[in-house]
Amino acid sequence: DAGVIQSPRHEVTEMGQEVTLRCKPISGHDYLFWYRQTMMRGLELLIYFNNNVPIDDSGMPEDRFSAKMPNASFSTLKIQPSEPRDSAVYFCASSVRTGGDYGYTFGSGTRLTVV
Amino acid sequence: AQSVTQPDIHITVSEGASLELRCNYSYGATPYLFWYVQSPGQGLQLLLKYFSGDTLVQGIKGFEAEFKRSQSSFNLRKPSVHWSDAAEYFCAVGAPSGGSYIPTFGRGTSLIVHP
Repeated sequence: DAGVIQSPRHEVTEMGQEVTLRCKPISGHDYLFWYRQTMMRGLELLIYFNNNVPIDDSGMPEDRFSAKMPNASFSTLKIQPSEPRDSAVYFCASSVRTGGDYGYTFGSGTRLTVV
Repeated sequence: AQSVTQPDIHITVSEGASLELRCNYSYGATPYLFWYVQSPGQGLQLLLKYFSGDTLVQGIKGFEAEFKRSQSSFNLRKPSVHWSDAAEYFCAVGAPSGGSYIPTFGRGTSLIVHP
């Protein structure tokens, strides 16, 4: 298995532009999570999906952030308009319950820089 | 709500020395506990996890962790550290939500290994 695939690995954009981050979860995993990592706040859960349905988006910082999961193999996190304080590493993770085990796997992340 | 405290921001050890990274959690029921490692520029890799059963769990790369309910702790140990173990280590507690266990991460401990 190729693992959780995120793209792009790095993104540099100007303030005010729209940014779209992409994630392909592991096939068969029914949960998908978006996390943001910064020095100031550590790892924060932004939103998670179960069977493509958003379950909890209470971590999404504001209306500029939106996430979708149109099918089981693809999710996007969009920031519109972007601001310098959005600069962070964004991680996608997926998981599945097998018996009593919950196998979480993280992608390599997208490093976003907003200038 | 669950929370995780990693009291040490940085830990410095000499190669070949033993290692213990501390983790304390706050959660009302039996938690689902994880340790992850993050190398520079990389995503998070699962080292080990505890859900139930034996309170001493073995992980990859020679790491182990012990769950102590009375102390609300889940400390990570390794008997002999290698230079390649230098990385950021995250403890996480998973609480049930929406049919899965959602990890909440500590702020991380940066491990520095001296030759």
